[in-house]
Amino acid sequence: DAGVIQSPRHEVTEMGQEVTLRCKPISGHNSLFWYRQTMMRGLELLIYFNNNVPIDDSGMPEDRFSAKMPNASFSTLKIQPSEPRDSAVYFCASSLSGAGNEQFFGPGTRLTVL
Amino acid sequence: DAKTTQPNSMESNEEEPVHLPCNHSTISGTDYIHWYRQLPSQGPEYVIHGLTSNVNNRMASLAIAEDRKSSTLILHRATLRDAAVYYCILTFGNEKLTFGTGTRLTIIP
Repeated sequence: DAGVIQSPRHEVTEMGQEVTLRCKPISGHNSLFWYRQTMMRGLELLIYFNNNVPIDDSGMPEDRFSAKMPNASFSTLKIQPSEPRDSAVYFCASSLSGAGNEQFFGPGTRLTVL
Repeated sequence: DAKTTQPNSMESNEEEPVHLPCNHSTISGTDYIHWYRQLPSQGPEYVIHGLTSNVNNRMASLAIAEDRKSSTLILHRATLRDAAVYYCILTFGNEKLTFGTGTRLTIIP
């Protein structure tokens, strides 16, 4: 298995632009998670889906952030408009649902907003 | 939410065992104890998890105190590739992982 796939790996954009991050979970996994990591705040869970349905979006910072999971093999995290404070590494992870199951993380997307 | 407390950093000599402690005094009966690690410039990686009994896998061992208020991750023979930030995380009957600041493990050659 190729593991969790994220694209792009690096994104540099200007303030005010729309940014879309993409994630392909491991085949057969039915839970998907979006995290953000910064030096100041560490690793934060933004949102997670189970069977393509958003379960908990309490970590989404504000309305500029939105996430979708149109099918079991694809999810997007969109930031519109982007701001410099959104600069971070964004990780996607997937798992078989269940509190005791391990999450498999992707390599991350490093976002820089100028 | 039940929280965990870990030392900010630890050092260990290469090829020696490493014991990484974690306190979780407010743990509840349904909380799993998970350990993840993050190597430099990579995403977090699952290490091990347990509920009540000690657990072993190819990467490490997890020793859980009888009262479950603390646990210890044991790397039996540390290598340079084990240098990472190690996170001890409780789940609260669901799948969410709430990462703290973890323990930065340095391996001395």
